[in-house]
Amino acid sequence: AQSVTQLGSHVSVSEGALVLLRCNYSSSVPPYLFWYVQYPNQGLQLLLKYTSAATLVKGINGFEAEFKKSETSFHLTKPSAHMSDAAEYFCAVKRGNTPLVFGKGTRLSVIA
Amino acid sequence: KAGVTQTPRYLIKTRGQQVTLSCSPISGHRSVSWYQQTPGQGLQFLFEYFSETQRNKGNFPGRFSGRQFSNSRSEMNVSTLELGDSALYLCASSPGLAGGTSIDTQYFGPGTRLTVL
Repeated sequence: AQSVTQLGSHVSVSEGALVLLRCNYSSSVPPYLFWYVQYPNQGLQLLLKYTSAATLVKGINGFEAEFKKSETSFHLTKPSAHMSDAAEYFCAVKRGNTPLVFGKGTRLSVIA
Repeated sequence: KAGVTQTPRYLIKTRGQQVTLSCSPISGHRSVSWYQQTPGQGLQFLFEYFSETQRNKGNFPGRFSGRQFSNSRSEMNVSTLELGDSALYLCASSPGLAGGTSIDTQYFGPGTRLTVL
């Protein structure tokens, strides 16, 4: 069975600092991986997805993620945090016809 | 293109009642999935419908059911509500590529916040 682990339920960074949100997956075969963001009282918005075309994936709002098979990781980064990045971030994995499986989420706080 | 819409946005019910939630997918999308989001359990998959047929089902009791209409709109129903059913219910639509290929990206609606008293 596939699963996703997000390290750190809460991450706090200063405005302008690097954002690093960690995601490790468990899958018997290379999966497809996604990062979603959820703002308060809203649904999930797709940030980026890995579909094996390239290991470094660029998404919206300046975010990017790198797929590392040897580490079974798909960490999300952004060089410079903005106040508007404060939200909850979810890593998810999907393979074949199985449903999307989400991690527990990481709440990002940005301090002025 | 309009996004996924869910109605109602907020709902308050009492234990023992039943509830029906509605989801209208993005135009042209044929697959609709439902998720339950709670602080304790996170995001849990309920079921997926494709072309009016249930394609996948999560590990929820039979009180949770759903259906999809010919225009791809979907409804989910929860009967005999329990306090633990209080949650944000999210609907997601995707193009529904034949066979449910992994790159079939899901787009989420704003959710319905259900409170059971």
